Amino acid sequence: RKEVEQDPGPFNVPEGATVAFNCTYSNSASQSFFWYRQDCRKEPKLLMSVYSSGNEDGRFTAQLNRASQYISLLIRDSKLSDSATYLCVVNRYGNKLVFGAGTILRVKS
Amino acid sequence: GAVVSQHPSWVICKSGTSVKIECRSLDFQATTMFWYRQFPKQSLMLMATSNEGSKATYEQGVEKDKFLINHASLTLSTLTVTSAHPEDSSFYICSASILAGDSYEQYFGPGTRLTVT
Repeated sequence: RKEVEQDPGPFNVPEGATVAFNCTYSNSASQSFFWYRQDCRKEPKLLMSVYSSGNEDGRFTAQLNRASQYISLLIRDSKLSDSATYLCVVNRYGNKLVFGAGTILRVKS
Repeated sequence: GAVVSQHPSWVICKSGTSVKIECRSLDFQATTMFWYRQFPKQSLMLMATSNEGSKATYEQGVEKDKFLINHASLTLSTLTVTSAHPEDSSFYICSASILAGDSYEQYFGPGTRLTVT
């Protein structure tokens, strides 16, 4: 079983749609959780950290369920510029990170 | 803040040569940097953890004699791919971590695309 599992997609959605991505992780001792965004042939960029109480940043909302070892990302009012690969990231221990394989989002006009 | 640079951004070399990649934290000091490799359509795989002033810690399956890491200062880590072969062709990305609240956030350099012919 992979340490971090994501649905690879692709998710093809129209502009303005709401889309949700899910991720599960296997290491119950993980303490830090993140969503990164990676554009084609570019480096990952931190989108948001994920906190136990859930957190929101503009059109993006992240949720964490420790009991189910499950993380989600909700994107509202999708823009063309949101098209990218979204990486679910969990710390293995300390500040070492484990990356999911990513979920591809394509927003179309 | 939290800008990480990498040089070169791409390199093409012949089989058997060595390639050095530099990773710099531009506006902060990083006691720990990380080196990743990413093959097409795959996720980032951690290769090693680079610690300033001490030896790097390599992940299982990564040859330390092939991928030499030097973290000589708080703002610079280098990865040298020795005697590169075509199977070493990949996207190499470094990152540096910053303590943010209770967790460490990692910021990535723009990556180096290595092609070995």
